[in-house]
Amino acid sequence: DVKVTQSSRYLVKRTGEKVFLECVQDMDHENMFWYRQDPGLGLRLIYFSYDVKMKEKGDIPEGYSVSREKKERFSLILESASTNQTSMYLCASSYLTGGDPYEQYFGPGTRLTVT
Amino acid sequence: AQKITQTQPGMFVQEKEAVTLDCTYDTSDQSYGLFWYKQPSSGEMIFLIYQGSYDEQNATEGRYSLNFQKARKSANLVISASQLGDSAMYFCAMVRWDSSYKLIFGSGTRLLVRP
Repeated sequence: DVKVTQSSRYLVKRTGEKVFLECVQDMDHENMFWYRQDPGLGLRLIYFSYDVKMKEKGDIPEGYSVSREKKERFSLILESASTNQTSMYLCASSYLTGGDPYEQYFGPGTRLTVT
Repeated sequence: AQKITQTQPGMFVQEKEAVTLDCTYDTSDQSYGLFWYKQPSSGEMIFLIYQGSYDEQNATEGRYSLNFQKARKSANLVISASQLGDSAMYFCAMVRWDSSYKLIFGSGTRLLVRP
């Protein structure tokens, strides 16, 4: 069974803090993704990575950065958290080769509140 | 630009009845894929069904079927014999067939199954 884990289910941070959200997958997937989910907007792609140290901006990268030093781990960083970054954050992974590339496996999500 | 539209923010269905969740999409690509994901209250995204743009048959997975009408650019999800456990958010998504396989999501439909 593919497993995607996220470091926290719930997180409360103060405005201006640096926030790290961690995601780990155990299926040797090349692709990893960070999404943000807001009511009425669905999921929106923040950043994705198709290889170690490789990253590309998604649709809403402003205010975020990412890090992928190891294949299994993809971190989302909020350099200076703001209240408009209060949201549910979902990590996902998928194959690029060697499997069905279109099926993304999701983690349980991190509900971040910035006060 | 590619876009997914789900016009039903919320729906009710009686247990054991069938229900159709609407999804329309917009793309200029000839080759693309369409998905449905289920998100229970626990938050994880569960892959339900996939339809490729060149697939001649409508996709089916158990009680789920995808009513794919290419000319109308619609990919409606049909759930037969609804169960209480089907109560969840449902997201329609489209894959971009480039090297990253990024997904574009609709805003979601919340389905509530009544006993």
